[in-house]
Amino acid sequence: GAVVSQHPSWVICKSGTSVKIECRSLDFQATTMFWYRQFPKQSLMLMATSNEGSKATYEQGVEKDKFLINHASLTLSTLTVTSAHPEDSSFYICSAESRVESTDTQYFGPGTRLTVL
Amino acid sequence: GESVGLHLPTLSVQEGDNSIINCAYSNSASDYFIWYKQESGKGPQFIIDIRSNMDKRQGQRVTVLLNKTVKHLSLQIAATQPGDSAVYFCAEKRTGTASKLTFGTGTRLQVTL
Repeated sequence: GAVVSQHPSWVICKSGTSVKIECRSLDFQATTMFWYRQFPKQSLMLMATSNEGSKATYEQGVEKDKFLINHASLTLSTLTVTSAHPEDSSFYICSAESRVESTDTQYFGPGTRLTVL
Repeated sequence: GESVGLHLPTLSVQEGDNSIINCAYSNSASDYFIWYKQESGKGPQFIIDIRSNMDKRQGQRVTVLLNKTVKHLSLQIAATQPGDSAVYFCAEKRTGTASKLTFGTGTRLQVTL
């Protein structure tokens, strides 16, 4: 149980285009999903917290107009990188929160490797 | 606060030996701790968790120890195998609605034959 999927697993795009990444919780309902980015040899950096049916909460320094997040259902959240540039190239990982035994365990997706040319 | 890693520390362990990975956490209000394993090009995988009302928890070949006095967490892996080679992250949070995980810098475990 507690499986999270992401699509696509990798994407290469031209500078200036937009890219959408999907995050799905496959066997549980997630009222909260999180989006992270990770640069090589570094830890995960939280970008935003996404709650179903409401606006996402962005971390300081993350542009909400550039990284659009939609959490339309209890099993799906999307991250759209708008007008992507080479500096946006990174590994983007989502997680979904599963509430079990009053603790909030986050289960992670496999990640999406974005390369902007 | 948020953790930003520059270069991952590396632990090299011979196959069959026990591994101990350490983590210092920052927030004394954190009451829930998780260890994740991340293999190259993949997302973090949940290994084991522990709540602040415990100081030890065991899983299959893994044990997590929590010392709240010095804000220290450790992951012990028994009889380390080549498949254990990965980057290990500790994460802390304060339980509650949509509270954020704060990740440590990570430790790379290399298992030598």
